[in-house]
Amino acid sequence: GAGVSQTPSNKVTEKGKYVELRCDPISGHTALYWYRQSLGQGPEFLIYFQGTGAADDSGLPNDRFFAVRPEGSVSTLKIQRTERGDSAVYLCASSLSVGLNTEAFFGQGTRLTVV
Amino acid sequence: DQQVKQNSPSLSVQEGRISILNCDYTNSMFDYFLWYKKYPAEGPTFLISISSIKDKNEDGRFTVFLNKSAKHLSLHIVPSQPGDSAVYFCAAGGTSYGKLTFGQGTILTVHP
Repeated sequence: GAGVSQTPSNKVTEKGKYVELRCDPISGHTALYWYRQSLGQGPEFLIYFQGTGAADDSGLPNDRFFAVRPEGSVSTLKIQRTERGDSAVYLCASSLSVGLNTEAFFGQGTRLTVV
Repeated sequence: DQQVKQNSPSLSVQEGRISILNCDYTNSMFDYFLWYKKYPAEGPTFLISISSIKDKNEDGRFTVFLNKSAKHLSLHIVPSQPGDSAVYFCAAGGTSYGKLTFGQGTILTVHP
């Protein structure tokens, strides 16, 4: 596709369940980012990948959160034992590389609701 | 610790007038800055960026100004159009690392 694609667009899950959120970046983009946006706030950094490896995972809030990008393209954000506080829009972005003049393109997000 | 702050939650402007959105930051390690625009149910879209070695960057109706000594940047939109109505986020990054730090956003409403 032409842009960053995220699936599902909406996910409702029960507290304590496991969820996976998928991101398909723009073809050829080596850098991939996950952000989380709560109501009334700006996107909050979670993790970014350069190729297959996590270059910076300092934003993951705790060990219930994990992300992979095994072939350097599609990425999956995994959340174990979900809590109501995990409810947010999870945004994925990709870019050709990192730094100035390497614009990050965002997907439309996955709205996660934990009930 | 909010390293990037947008202190105005909302701004209302008449069509044709100038819109000025402001952003402050605290981390001296940031060396480039960006503005993103977001419509409901869509991801943020890139608008304009500026390197810390410059104090102004212009692209059509959009101009970003950077005042490094004050750790302040602003986005000017002139003339404003109703289609500019959206949430605007400023973001900051460093050339040595990939993540962006975003402000809380400012809701811009441009009235016809």
